[in-house]
Amino acid sequence: DADVTQTPRNRITKTGKRIMLECSQTKGHDRMYWYRQDPGLGLRLIYYSFDVKDINKGEISDGYSVSRQAQAKFSLSLESAIPNQTALYFCATSDPGAGGTYEQYFGPGTRLTVT
Amino acid sequence: SQKIEQNSEALNIQEGKTATLTCNYTNYSPAYLQWYRQDPGRGPVFLLLIRENEKEKRKERLKVTFDTTLKQSLFHFTASQPADSATYLCALDMGGNAGNMLTFGGGTRLMVKP
Repeated sequence: DADVTQTPRNRITKTGKRIMLECSQTKGHDRMYWYRQDPGLGLRLIYYSFDVKDINKGEISDGYSVSRQAQAKFSLSLESAIPNQTALYFCATSDPGAGGTYEQYFGPGTRLTVT
Repeated sequence: SQKIEQNSEALNIQEGKTATLTCNYTNYSPAYLQWYRQDPGRGPVFLLLIRENEKEKRKERLKVTFDTTLKQSLFHFTASQPADSATYLCALDMGGNAGNMLTFGGGTRLMVKP
């Protein structure tokens, strides 16, 4: 987990507030991802970026935006937080491995609570 | 769209026994299937990858099988230990044409009792 860091680790915010979750990596990977995890629903992809100039929406991008400030940094913003965005958020990175496969490396997660 | 099914109920086994977890999917077979371990409050950690043309793959006490006819992968953990207790996620990678994106199952929690 030390190669991929996330800040903050825990955050409680109120409905309507704008907040930013940050992710940094030292793995030198081009690809970065944001997921959210809810009990029983597994990991769902919010946004992904294949390089600094390539950002794409994932399965559940509504209500979120991202910024890829550098190869090593990928931030997720909640423009106006709502209670159903309460979840565990993970950042991940990947690059092609020896066999051209894309294993992902995850950060420790941010637990977000919206009241 | 692809649907992935993992047993949502926890699997409780005794130390030393073999744990078998299942991952079933619908529709097209993935180019690769990956397994991850996740401890409470922490990010998933990559364990093993198996390709569509591989029937079985082993790593230490872990054996993973991939049956594209049954659309199923089995995850076998032999000589299980309490330290193996965690949630195990399978993930499908549909290959380069799909950008090698991963679709995750909901995970199965394994509890190994001493």
